[in-house]
Amino acid sequence: EVQLVQSGAEVKKPGESLKISCKGSGYDFSTHWIAWVRQMPGKGLEWMGIIYPGVSDTRYSPSFQGQVTISADKSINTAYLQWSYLQASDTAMYYCARHSHYMDVWGKGTTVTVSS
Amino acid sequence: EIVMTQSPPTLSVSPGERATLSCRTSQIVSTNLAWYQQKAGQAPRLLISGASTRATGTPARFSGSGSGTEFTLTISSLQSEDFAVYYCQQYDNWPRTFGQGTKVEIK
Repeated sequence: EVQLVQSGAEVKKPGESLKISCKGSGYDFSTHWIAWVRQMPGKGLEWMGIIYPGVSDTRYSPSFQGQVTISADKSINTAYLQWSYLQASDTAMYYCARHSHYMDVWGKGTTVTVSS
Repeated sequence: EIVMTQSPPTLSVSPGERATLSCRTSQIVSTNLAWYQQKAGQAPRLLISGASTRATGTPARFSGSGSGTEFTLTISSLQSEDFAVYYCQQYDNWPRTFGQGTKVEIK
């Protein structure tokens, strides 16, 4: 079964750093793009960026460029989304998804709460 | 960036009725458009790609149509499990972009 398993919920303070993960299984992780999608509370889906784990080629939405870093470790079939300086506005659900133009397999999401 | 406009924001439909959801793109995207369903508390799920190709497991009551800048998702006879939020997404241009969603609620 193809699946993406995301790391657990996080509660952080403003200014802290964070790295969340997405582990793929059931398919060749290195040869499929992985996307990250943000969903703020009560809002719609926002495409943040993607990574090709085989060579760590990344593309970002201009809205998120410089705000987050997407990375991957193909040796352990895992993609990451990280922040070096969290803000309250980063509070959201973050989904990873297998991305072949459209997104055909989704993780269950990681809730990130940033609050003082 | 391609702007996606979905209408209506909310659609109130009785079970068994037909629902028609619209998605318009600010630029031509050919048929490079997908539809997703998101139920409350769940991750999105791919319904349709290529504007009209049902994904594995998508019931036949879901159909997609359109090309260029105008697209439609039709649910022929709404079932209780279809009440959810539906998003369109273009994959013709970077960055990929989503519509703001249409909530299909019980009338």
